Amino acid sequence: GAGVSQSPSNKVTEKGKDVELRCDPISGHTALYWYRQRLGQGLEFLIYFQGNSAPDKSGLPSDRFSAERTGESVSTLTIQRTQQEDSAVYLCASSSYLSSYEQYFGPGTRLTVT
Amino acid sequence: SQELEQSPQSLIVQEGKNLTINCTSSKTLYGLYWYKQKYGEGLIFLMMLQKGGEEKSHEKITAKLDEKKQQSSLHITASQPSHAGIYLCGAPHQGGSEKLVFGKGTKLTVNP
Repeated sequence: GAGVSQSPSNKVTEKGKDVELRCDPISGHTALYWYRQRLGQGLEFLIYFQGNSAPDKSGLPSDRFSAERTGESVSTLTIQRTQQEDSAVYLCASSSYLSSYEQYFGPGTRLTVT
Repeated sequence: SQELEQSPQSLIVQEGKNLTINCTSSKTLYGLYWYKQKYGEGLIFLMMLQKGGEEKSHEKITAKLDEKKQQSSLHITASQPSHAGIYLCGAPHQGGSEKLVFGKGTKLTVNP
């Protein structure tokens, strides 16, 4: 079956613009996670969805960041008024209790803010 | 908050050599994941360890979990260029959240 997919794979945007990043989880996976990986850093947790609700948003760095998930499938991470420090690879993962909540990761979206 | 420290940060070995990467947690480990990442790609799941003393192997990669030491090790036997990449350890966050906390990674280079 298909794995986690993310789009776009690369995004270059000007400072101050808004961007939307998309994640398509594995079909049937109820849990979805967004992480950020900045150059030379480990993965930072951003937000976790269980179904359509987000019980843990503790990793969102500022109110410029938001995410939503519809229909227990696709999720969109939106960054408003992008800043250069937002440049990073944004990774999405999904999991299911049927696979012991092992998190399957997508290929990521590389965001560059100029 | 829980932190994972990986050592070494980078490692260069000759093909055929054995190597070990360590992951040490600042708090009790209730499980440990090992992932591999290549440039431009997502994380590839390698192994999940859930119990103290647990050891798992896949092909030439073996991982162990030492709960008492709050540490896990990843050992590669007879390394090959295909093993090159960044190895990341991740652990379930304390406090019941489903998120994973990750180390900063170990960059492995295998020279032919």
